[in-house]
Amino acid sequence: IAGITQAPTSQILAAGRRMTLRCTQDMRHNAMYWYRQDLGLGLRLIHYSNTAGTTGKGEVPDGYSVSRANTDDFPLTLASAVPSQTSVYFCASSGQENTEAFFGQGTRLTVV
Amino acid sequence: GIQVEQSPPDLILQEGANSTLRCNFSDSVNNLQWFHQNPWGQLINLFYIPSGTKQNGRLSATTVATERYSLLYISSSQTTDSGVYFCAVETFKGGSEKLVFGKGMKLTVNP
Repeated sequence: IAGITQAPTSQILAAGRRMTLRCTQDMRHNAMYWYRQDLGLGLRLIHYSNTAGTTGKGEVPDGYSVSRANTDDFPLTLASAVPSQTSVYFCASSGQENTEAFFGQGTRLTVV
Repeated sequence: GIQVEQSPPDLILQEGANSTLRCNFSDSVNNLQWFHQNPWGQLINLFYIPSGTKQNGRLSATTVATERYSLLYISSSQTTDSGVYFCAVETFKGGSEKLVFGKGMKLTVNP
């Protein structure tokens, strides 16, 4: 089934540890996004990529990095996790011509 | 950057009632989407509607891009309509495109 897949579904992480959230899509979409969702704040953009090989910073990029080595994968890395990065993380993708965005199921991350 | 405001922030309805959700945005957009986040946290695409009117069953949406707003109509609401509704817009400036979300509207439909 075509779609966008995130892993893991949930994770408890010790502060200071490194963590990579995975995101894979099989729709051949050019654009991909990472958001975090916090109560009362809605979804905020962390990083995005318009096409393979390019990335850009969103509204809240500090403490996060991304890479886009190919069309399908867009991993999000927390180099040294802090408790304020406790959140639900959503990955999304959208195509070039049809810019409707589709979301993964989310990753619930707790940093303790 | 662009600002997206949704109203009302919360709404409680009795089953069978109708409702209108509003999304205002501060700049020109080339894309607008409505999403429903269900109680399990999943974001469901409702409408991709940069302009015009669309209908899907009991739901319909209208975007007036020149006046920078969009409306989502829910008719004959059901308990399964409960959840959070998000409006998101996309701009094209300086070669970058970003999908910007409003803070959402929590809908509770009581039986």
